Amino acid sequence: AQSVTQPDIHITVSEGASLELRCNYSYGATPYLFWYVQSPGQGLQLLLKYFSGDTLVQGIKGFEAEFKRSQSSFNLRKPSVHWSDAAEYFCAVGANFGNEKLTFGTGTRLTIIP
Amino acid sequence: GAVVSQHPSRVICKSGTSVKIECRSLDFQATTMFWYRQFPKQSLMLMATSNEGSKATYEQGVEKDKFLINHASLTLSTLTVTSAHPEDSSFYICSARPGAPTDTQYFGPGTRLTVL
Repeated sequence: AQSVTQPDIHITVSEGASLELRCNYSYGATPYLFWYVQSPGQGLQLLLKYFSGDTLVQGIKGFEAEFKRSQSSFNLRKPSVHWSDAAEYFCAVGANFGNEKLTFGTGTRLTIIP
Repeated sequence: GAVVSQHPSRVICKSGTSVKIECRSLDFQATTMFWYRQFPKQSLMLMATSNEGSKATYEQGVEKDKFLINHASLTLSTLTVTSAHPEDSSFYICSARPGAPTDTQYFGPGTRLTVL
């Protein structure tokens, strides 16, 4: 069975600083990986996804993530955060062609300070 | 495009009553819809997968008689929490997928259920 670990429960960064959110996965086959963002009381918005090909994936809102098979990681990065990036971020792994049975990590809450 | 709505956004009910939550894909046809449950400050847990016109597939540990799922059309799925109890209070989120398994899941805004 697949699993996802997000080691950081809460991260605080200054506005304008760079950001990296960690995600490690466990899956027996080729993983299909996703990053979602959730604002308070809202549903989830897809930031980016990796199915195959280039291991550096560009997403919306200036986010990118890099798939590293040797480290079983799919870390999310942004070079300069904005106050509006404050939210909960979830990493997920999918089975069966990518979009069946998404398994989510426990999430990382991002706080931005002025 | 690819908007998913949920209704209601919030509902408060008395213990023992049933509550129906609707999930609609507004601008696409959803072959498959998913229902998730999210506890406070925790991750999303998949409850069930429903394909239009067929019975839902429930995850292990989810009571199918308590959480009734109907996917009667390509744009609508409903989750009915029967005989709700306080422990059913949670944030319920649906997602919809247009077609192929490789298609993206689009998530609704969620429904906050509070059972008194």
